[in-house]
Amino acid sequence: DAGVTQSPTHLIKTRGQQVTLRCSPKSGHDTVSWYQQALGQGPQFIFQYYEEEERQRGNFPDRFSGHQFPNYSSELNVNALLLGDSALYLCASSWGTGGEGSYEQYFGPGTRLTVT
Amino acid sequence: AQSVTQLGSHVSVSEGALVLLRCNYSSSVPPYLFWYVQYPNQGLQLLLKYTSAATLVKGINGFEAEFKKSETSFHLTKPSAHMSDAAEYFCAVTDSGYSTLTFGKGTMLLVSP
Repeated sequence: DAGVTQSPTHLIKTRGQQVTLRCSPKSGHDTVSWYQQALGQGPQFIFQYYEEEERQRGNFPDRFSGHQFPNYSSELNVNALLLGDSALYLCASSWGTGGEGSYEQYFGPGTRLTVT
Repeated sequence: AQSVTQLGSHVSVSEGALVLLRCNYSSSVPPYLFWYVQYPNQGLQLLLKYTSAATLVKGINGFEAEFKKSETSFHLTKPSAHMSDAAEYFCAVTDSGYSTLTFGKGTMLLVSP
């Protein structure tokens, strides 16, 4: 059973460029959340997608946007990249909208984004 | 609003010694609490979770944690540290039905021979 997968593993971009990161959830999961982990910090919640819609959003600017596809996979897009966007971007998947199962998130290995 | 405080950015122990990583939380509603471990250049792996059942929770790799409501704490312990336990540990809380997590800043566990 494949876990959460993310691509690419590493990415280097220049300030002002745009980037797209991809995530495939664990089999059987329908909810995808994205987190940003800056160096030396804990992950910070960006947003969550369920049924192809953004269900919750953290304190991130509109430059951060996402999408969820009918097969539950998801993309994270960041426009007008800043140096401060350099971080490890983690995708997590879970199942359902309530009950204990929905509280357990499975994380992918992350995408390391470097902005120069 | 919910928050997590992890006391000590770094904790050093000798192999075979007790591991104690501290986590305090604040939440306006009964929380669900988690400990995750992160090895270098990897994602997060769930160690254990508290979801309002037993207050003493056992996880993988010999770790356990006790939920203490009166102290708003969820400290992580392991009786005997192994070299392979060296990693960064994150405490996290959620009080929403949507499972979004609020993380602490992490504690790096260093294990010496």
